[in-house]
Amino acid sequence: DADVTQTPRNRITKTGKRIMLECSQTKGHDRMYWYRQDPGLGLQLIYYSFDVKDINKGEISDGYSVSRQAQAKFSLSLESAIPNQTALYFCATSEGTRGNTGELFFGEGSRLTVL
Amino acid sequence: QQPVQSPQAVILREGEDAVINCSSSKALYSVHWYRQKHGEAPVFLMILLKGGEQKGHEKISASFNEKKQQSSLYLTASQLSYSGTYFCGTLTGGGNKLTFGTGTQLKVEL
Repeated sequence: DADVTQTPRNRITKTGKRIMLECSQTKGHDRMYWYRQDPGLGLQLIYYSFDVKDINKGEISDGYSVSRQAQAKFSLSLESAIPNQTALYFCATSEGTRGNTGELFFGEGSRLTVL
Repeated sequence: QQPVQSPQAVILREGEDAVINCSSSKALYSVHWYRQKHGEAPVFLMILLKGGEQKGHEKISASFNEKKQQSSLYLTASQLSYSGTYFCGTLTGGGNKLTFGTGTQLKVEL
């Protein structure tokens, strides 16, 4: 089984619908991240969490929210999906120390299409 | 702010060498390098820390110039398996989140 698991892997939805992407990990890492990937734009950070009580906005958090239900679980929600949120979404985990971040381990990605 | 990678794309013949550059407008604490094959998740290659250099992967190495706020990834004697998109991720001083560049597409042909 994968160390970082994302569900669903593919989702097609309509404008205005609420969508949740889920991420779970077995690596025992405290740090978890949600990235969005669009062709030609690289990976853009949406939200990140360094422990259950610590959640921070990334570069493109507008239109998204997150929940860290446990050390191993980090969910991304789109309250009212819009077509320009069509993208590939990656969850990642890492270890880290104060002022530094270790290797990121990525899930397999969730491809979201908003019609 | 997003680091700038160059070139955007490169095509090599098997056995040739390549250099991918990553530059930032901010002072860097560390630089990560990842490779992503088509349809897959990014995979870690190496981290370069301020004041040091860490080689993490086969014939792929990297340098980190703190004064110029730049890092370069060196791929020697390229193999077909090196094909993919390479991303640098930068960690600026006081920050704990990686900011990724837009990627360099590398294709190795026979």
